Amino acid sequence: QTVVTQEPSFSVSPGGTVTLTCGLSSGSVSTTSYPSWYQQTPGQAPRTLIYSTNTRSSGVPDRFSGSILGNKAALTITGAQADDESDYYCALYVGGGTSVFGGGTKLTVL
Amino acid sequence: QLQVQESGPGLVRPSETLSLTCTVSGASISTSSYFWGWIRQPPGKGLEWIGNIYYSGSTYYNPSLKSRVTISVDTSKNQFSLEVVSVTAADSAVYYCARQVRTGSSKYYFESWGQGTLVTVSS
Repeated sequence: QTVVTQEPSFSVSPGGTVTLTCGLSSGSVSTTSYPSWYQQTPGQAPRTLIYSTNTRSSGVPDRFSGSILGNKAALTITGAQADDESDYYCALYVGGGTSVFGGGTKLTVL
Repeated sequence: QLQVQESGPGLVRPSETLSLTCTVSGASISTSSYFWGWIRQPPGKGLEWIGNIYYSGSTYYNPSLKSRVTISVDTSKNQFSLEVVSVTAADSAVYYCARQVRTGSSKYYFESWGQGTLVTVSS
């Protein structure tokens, strides 16, 4: 069973920069994992932020960016704002038509 | 503007079958560019991919749920459905349907989400 790992929680100061990561329990994340990132606030459906590693979804501010860092996918928020305080989930394509979500990272902005 | 909307019972008895339908509006479900998928989120927990279906009927399932899950499509109604048999309290969750891009250089991401529907398994 493929497990996708994310930091359970992270904290950033307003205006600061934070990088969240998304890894595989065994193996490396690459562009062919087609990593995507989703933002979710309580009671709301997820919002698509980033797909195919580094493509921003329509309407997503450019302070959000995606990349591959080492053997993980990464979501970087530059100039964090109060309303970036959310849960962030990554998803990876693991082949055979199947996808796996990470456990999510709870981001606090304070 | 694409919309996907989940519908179905909010309460299911243990050991029975959970059945949900996702109605697609603003686009045809019969397109080669997309999968149609189900994702769930237990209260206070993370997202779990359940599976998806192509308009032709081809399906892909989470291995951990495969023995209990069936996803089907009705192209005449522009709908797809989820069934989970032999449910327990662990199946209580918000269930989302979503459109997943399947072609092109940018793919396999969940592009449009429904608002979600809470299903509680309880006697």
